[in-house]
Amino acid sequence: DAGITQSPRHKVTETGTPVTLRCHQTENHRYMYWYRQDPGHGLRLIHYSYGVKDTDKGEVSDGYSVSRSKTEDFLLTLESATSSQTSVYFCAIGGTSGVTDTQYFGPGTRLTVL
Amino acid sequence: DQQVKQNSPSLSVQEGRISILNCDYTNSMFDYFLWYKKYPAEGPTFLISISSIKDKNEDGRFTVFLNKSAKHLSLHIVPSQPGDSAVYFCAARNTGNQFYFGTGTSLTVIP
Repeated sequence: DAGITQSPRHKVTETGTPVTLRCHQTENHRYMYWYRQDPGHGLRLIHYSYGVKDTDKGEVSDGYSVSRSKTEDFLLTLESATSSQTSVYFCAIGGTSGVTDTQYFGPGTRLTVL
Repeated sequence: DQQVKQNSPSLSVQEGRISILNCDYTNSMFDYFLWYKKYPAEGPTFLISISSIKDKNEDGRFTVFLNKSAKHLSLHIVPSQPGDSAVYFCAARNTGNQFYFGTGTSLTVIP
């Protein structure tokens, strides 16, 4: 198994509060990704990173920000959580160089926004 | 717009028979395709992949077929086993190393 951990694994929060999810890898992969999984939508890319301090938006980035200050950590922040952000969030890693042929996923974080 | 589609939300197959999962895509610039398997409360697990320059890739009981002209790929599992029961996602990569996933097909293998 790829060394990926996500924290917290479960979180319940209230609308309007800030939330930060953490993804940590021990594999030294260059690329890191944040996805959300919702019924009827599969996995959708929120943001991804291709190196330290290098990030870009995915298809559902509104309401989310990310930061990557170290190779091993990729943070996803919901500045002001809304009920529509209730979801399961997965982090993935891939690519030790310029191309990522596959991705390895973390166990997920279940977030509930009341 | 969903660039990768799995039109069958579920599939049931008898143990020992073939399972065929299908996936369609719209972007002709996708250059790499993958299948993932997912159990409840776990992250997706990589299963098999295929480059756009190939039309078939085999790994044990799993074979992926790619038909570029039809923008269609399929995953064949032979023989199917009860442990194969899971949700299967197909995914496609664009040249910017971004991945697009289908909505998943829930496979049930009946003993």
